[in-house]
Amino acid sequence: DTAVSQTPKYLVTQMGNDKSIKCEQNLGHDTMYWYKQDSKKFLKIMFSYNNKELIINETVPNRFSPKSPDKAHLNLHINSLELGDSAVYFCASSSDLSRGAYNEQFFGPGTRLTVL
Amino acid sequence: SQQGEEDPQALSIQEGENATMNCSYKTSINNLQWYRQNSGRGLVHLILIRSNEREKHSGRLRVTLDTSKKSSSLLITASRAADTASYFCATTGGGNKLTFGTGTQLKVEL
Repeated sequence: DTAVSQTPKYLVTQMGNDKSIKCEQNLGHDTMYWYKQDSKKFLKIMFSYNNKELIINETVPNRFSPKSPDKAHLNLHINSLELGDSAVYFCASSSDLSRGAYNEQFFGPGTRLTVL
Repeated sequence: SQQGEEDPQALSIQEGENATMNCSYKTSINNLQWYRQNSGRGLVHLILIRSNEREKHSGRLRVTLDTSKKSSSLLITASRAADTASYFCATTGGGNKLTFGTGTQLKVEL
């Protein structure tokens, strides 16, 4: 009965590889997010999708491409991985603000990506 | 640039004591939220305070908001060892985007 789940939990890979992280939420939320948390615990938003449409796209290298097959899933694909991509990536979801909700966000457990 | 700065960066107290964390932000907000992150886990939403509210309570948590000073504080009363975690404030201007602060690492010792 996990609300927001991510796979894998840990990902260790070589520089230059391409990898994907998957996220699923069973809360019925319309909006999903990807965040990056660096080694100093600074948390920064990368992308947000609302009902499969991209609504937030921060200054992120275009090696990062989010994909939302349906509103319950938001996957993150990263091409040509670099050392600086090492971080913990969090998926989150929230209700649609147009329905009067506040944007309290529910976070997944995180994926620790290590690029060697 | 980063929106929120939190103070202190780290706080160590004894069980039973109160813990106070502060958050300052730079631009006008719609609401301010506080989240907790246990080591190796995702963030958990604690409490939300709207820009027209000045104080809010939830269990042992008390949040204040001073929009004139662009600051908020989180008070945890009668702390427990289980409160050991990092605490983040997050602000929004009204859309979906949350901007997080730098976080305060709280350690509650037995």
